[in-house]
Amino acid sequence: GNSVTQMEGPVTLSEEAFLTINCTYTATGYPSLFWYVQYPGEGLQLLLKATKADDKGSNKGFEATYRKETTSFHLEKGSVQVSDSAVYFCALRGGGGADGLTFGKGTHLIIQP
Amino acid sequence: GAGVSQSPSNKVTEKGKDVELRCDPISGHTALYWYRQSLGQGLEFLIYFQGNSAPDKSGLPSDRFSAERTGGSVSTLTIQRTQQEDSAVYLCASSLGTGWYEQYFGPGTRLTVT
Repeated sequence: GNSVTQMEGPVTLSEEAFLTINCTYTATGYPSLFWYVQYPGEGLQLLLKATKADDKGSNKGFEATYRKETTSFHLEKGSVQVSDSAVYFCALRGGGGADGLTFGKGTHLIIQP
Repeated sequence: GAGVSQSPSNKVTEKGKDVELRCDPISGHTALYWYRQSLGQGLEFLIYFQGNSAPDKSGLPSDRFSAERTGGSVSTLTIQRTQQEDSAVYLCASSLGTGWYEQYFGPGTRLTVT
């Protein structure tokens, strides 16, 4: 079946540091890939997505590229802010599995001023 | 416009009791999903409905869990004979369709089984 693996953390960085959160997946076929974010006290919301190989999703300064050859969808941001502190979830949908999202365990990101 | 709403926001119940959790999707969204978020298991897909098709129940953890969707809109997740391991946040999401359409999540219902 489908699965998603991501670094768990917590990951603690200083403001303006470069961020990478690794995500790799296992799926048959051609899944769509997503990053969701959960800010403290708020609901889960979509951050970015990519629906086919080599697509790059981007939003709020975050980027991730769908790499089929390495089955990866790493999240990056060039300069993080305190307001980026949240839990980030990598997820996939489709690719031979049920239509529901398959999530990674989540990465808790803490940005210090 | 209004987002996905869920009720109640919090529910405390005694072990062995039945509970019902409600989800109101975004108007016009044909697909509706239920997930569970717990410390031990992370975010797990439970069940989804698409239009009038039979629901995909492949993620339900046991036969104590069931869900229905009336009139293609409101959905109810029912847990019978609750156990302590059912304690979790239950999330509902809806989308315009299946596949790559964005899923919009509700705020969740926090269920505590004592």
